[in-house]
Amino acid sequence: AQSVTQLGSHVSVSEGALVLLRCNYSSSVPPYLFWYVQYPNQGLQLLLKYTSAATLVKGINGFEAEFKKSETSFHLTKPSAHMSDAAEYFCAVSDTGFQKLVFGTGTRLLVSP
Amino acid sequence: DAEITQSPRHKITETGRQVTLACHQTWNHNNMFWYRQDLGHGLRLIHYSYGVQDTNKGEVSDGYSVSRSNTEDLPLTLESAASSQTSVYFCASSTGTVTGELFFGEGSRLTVL
Repeated sequence: AQSVTQLGSHVSVSEGALVLLRCNYSSSVPPYLFWYVQYPNQGLQLLLKYTSAATLVKGINGFEAEFKKSETSFHLTKPSAHMSDAAEYFCAVSDTGFQKLVFGTGTRLLVSP
Repeated sequence: DAEITQSPRHKITETGRQVTLACHQTWNHNNMFWYRQDLGHGLRLIHYSYGVQDTNKGEVSDGYSVSRSNTEDLPLTLESAASSQTSVYFCASSTGTVTGELFFGEGSRLTVL
């Protein structure tokens, strides 16, 4: 079965610094991969998704992720962190079957002034 | 605007009681899902439905049931609530394409005493 591993339950950066959130996947078939963001007391919303069209995927709010098959990774980056980026971020892979997403354990991003 | 709403947003109940969490979407989506979110586990799939009269078990379905009598609603029932079911529950829906976006409700926080 497909799965994802997110390294680091918490990541702290300063405002303006590079954001790097790590995600590695395990899949027996070419995967569909997703990043979702959860702001406090809200549901999840889609940041970006990889569907095999392009390995570098751009999402909302300046985030992007690169699919690297050789490393089985789909890390999320943003060149310059903003205070409003503080949230929890989830990597997910689409399991066999329609959109049964398997989520990672999440990474909480903390942004300091 | 189309939306997905969950009720109640917060509930406290006692062990052994039956509890139903409501989920209503106005997207006219075929696919609906229930996840639970717990610290250290991310989101785990409880039940899902690909259309009216269709229901399927997810990875943590024991103690939960769902029914789908129309397109808009997928209520989640805890037959006999247990303390281990204290969690935040999220309902989501999607169009049905394999790479389509999941739209999440804002969550229902359930405490079982």
